[in-house]
Amino acid sequence: AQTVTQSQPEMSVQDAETVTLSCTYDTSENNYYLFWYKQPPSRQMILVIRQEAYKQQNATENRFSVNFQKAAKSFSLKISDSQLGDTAMYFCAFMKRNSGNTPLVFGKGTRLSVIA
Amino acid sequence: SQTIHQWPATLVQPVGSPLSLECTVEGTSNPNLYWYRQAAGRGLQLLFYSVGIGQISSEVPQNLSASRPQDRQFILSSKKLLLSDSGFYLCAGQGGFSYEQYFGPGTRLTVT
Repeated sequence: AQTVTQSQPEMSVQDAETVTLSCTYDTSENNYYLFWYKQPPSRQMILVIRQEAYKQQNATENRFSVNFQKAAKSFSLKISDSQLGDTAMYFCAFMKRNSGNTPLVFGKGTRLSVIA
Repeated sequence: SQTIHQWPATLVQPVGSPLSLECTVEGTSNPNLYWYRQAAGRGLQLLFYSVGIGQISSEVPQNLSASRPQDRQFILSSKKLLLSDSGFYLCAGQGGFSYEQYFGPGTRLTVT
């Protein structure tokens, strides 16, 4: 079974600064996907960024980027130029690459507060 | 792109009463559908998933059941709610050639 660990329950960052959220995972699979989801106070889960394990290049979406280290099973999220609207819970998630059903396995989340 | 609808948004029910939460999907056909539950201050736990009409798999044995009467409809039910059923319930869909899961707005259930 796969597990996802987020070791930072809470973090804070000054606006316009950069912050990195950590995520490690455990799997025996070789083909999989990794995701970061954001859950603001509205509790809507929003997909922030995704990474295919077979791709060596780190994914980037505007101010969000990841550092994917496959051998170390590490998948951290970097938020640059943090904004007040980035305040939210952030969840790291793992999904096997499969032709059929593919549930997500989530970490317990990191609560990020952006401070003015 | 697909859109996931859920209702109701909030629900307060007494212990022992029945439950029905509905999820519908727009923008894709034959999606994989999922029910997750999020307890306060915790991550998401997969409850049920479905790869097609009438096909339901349960991840965690409990007081809940799920059904998929139509391709883009997924229902979470209970005959008798327990206090421990309180939580935030999220429906997610995964469709077409996309491997990404998109979530509905969720239902906050409080059992009193």
